[in-house]
Amino acid sequence: DIQMTQSPSSLSASIGDTVTITCRTSQTIRNDLNWYQQKPGKAPTLLIYAASNLHTGVPSRFSGSGSGTDFTLSINGLQPEDFAIYYCQQTYSISFSTFGGGTKVEIK
Amino acid sequence: EVQVVESGGGLVKPGGSLRLSCAASGFNFNTYTMNWVRQAPGKGLEWLSSISSGGDFIYYADSVKGRFTLSRDNAKNSLFLQMNSLGAEDTAVYFCARESTNDINSWFDPWGQGTLVTVSS
Repeated sequence: DIQMTQSPSSLSASIGDTVTITCRTSQTIRNDLNWYQQKPGKAPTLLIYAASNLHTGVPSRFSGSGSGTDFTLSINGLQPEDFAIYYCQQTYSISFSTFGGGTKVEIK
Repeated sequence: EVQVVESGGGLVKPGGSLRLSCAASGFNFNTYTMNWVRQAPGKGLEWLSSISSGGDFIYYADSVKGRFTLSRDNAKNSLFLQMNSLGAEDTAVYFCARESTNDINSWFDPWGQGTLVTVSS
């Protein structure tokens, strides 16, 4: 199985800060890495697909990068509505998918 | 509007069974792979199972293999998850998600709102 290590598990930041979340996989997954945002009591929503592609309607302050085993999600200029939990996901394997453990972004 | 809506959750006793449904609308259901993902209370996301567009290929996470069965009815734009031998560890919100692709990569969008399954005596 492909293991996903997401870090940090939580962080505190202020409005306007730049935040970076990392996701490392136990084997190379090309660019088959997606990022989701989840707010309390809601379903996850897609932010970034294929490592660096911004999903329709997602603000441009969100960006993703990386390939192989190391990936990052950046939020440039944190807004109040960005406080949430973020998950990475690999879809490299055709027979299973895996999510990272999540990163909770809280208000400082 | 493209959407998926889950139903069928509820309270079930340990060892019991439950069948979840996912109704799709707004897209050609019979051309998409579909997935189930769950989230235990206060925990992260766990992928459970996927089924190809025609139902030919079905995959399961080890945690549910042999207990859960995924199926679909393309004529009714519906996805089903039959869950047997349920235990407390299966208590979670269960999400249905469409798998989109650009022929190289794939991702889950949209997700349903989820249906809560509680396993308790």
